[in-house]
Amino acid sequence: DAGVTQSPTHLIKTRGQHVTLRCSPISGHKSVSWYQQVLGQGPQFIFQYYEKEERGRGNFPDRFSARQFPNYSSELNVNALLLGDSALYLCASSSSTVGGAATNTEAFFGQGTRLTVV
Amino acid sequence: AQSVTQLDSHVSVSEGTPVLLRCNYSSSYSPSLFWYVQHPNKGLQLLLKYTSAATLVKGINGFEAEFKKSETSFHLTKPSAHMSDAAEYFCVVSPSGGYNKLIFGAGTRLAVHP
Repeated sequence: DAGVTQSPTHLIKTRGQHVTLRCSPISGHKSVSWYQQVLGQGPQFIFQYYEKEERGRGNFPDRFSARQFPNYSSELNVNALLLGDSALYLCASSSSTVGGAATNTEAFFGQGTRLTVV
Repeated sequence: AQSVTQLDSHVSVSEGTPVLLRCNYSSSYSPSLFWYVQHPNKGLQLLLKYTSAATLVKGINGFEAEFKKSETSFHLTKPSAHMSDAAEYFCVVSPSGGYNKLIFGAGTRLAVHP
């Protein structure tokens, strides 16, 4: 069975550009969350989507946006890239069924997209 | 607000010796706590989860953690380290009680020497 897949694996962008990162959840999983992991730090929560609706948002500027598609895959978009946006971006999926809220179903993480802004 | 503090950024042990990775948490109510491991070029993997059912939680690969409310701690231990345990370990708290919107500590890098 395929796990959570993210694309691309690596990406280099210039300051001011826009980037789109993609995530395909495990088959049957309807909840997708995005995290940013800056080098030397733990991951930080950015967004959670469930059934195509945003269910949670972390402390990130409006340059960060996301969406979820009918097949439950998701995109994370970042506009006007800054050097500080360089990080590993992780996607996690789970089979949340209670409105995407508190659930005991495990979240599975992808290997991430390494974004470098120069 | 909930948070976790990992007390050591790096821990180095010899193969076959015990492992202790320390974590303190801050929460105004009974938290849900996790330990995750991150191997190089691999996704985060859940080691174990505490949800108030039992204070001693057993996880995968011989790891376990003990929840101590009086000390606000959730330390991760393993009796005997293996070379394959070398990785980054994260203590995590969940405001919602589930696996969404997780709050990660800064991580502890475990090195295992022959």
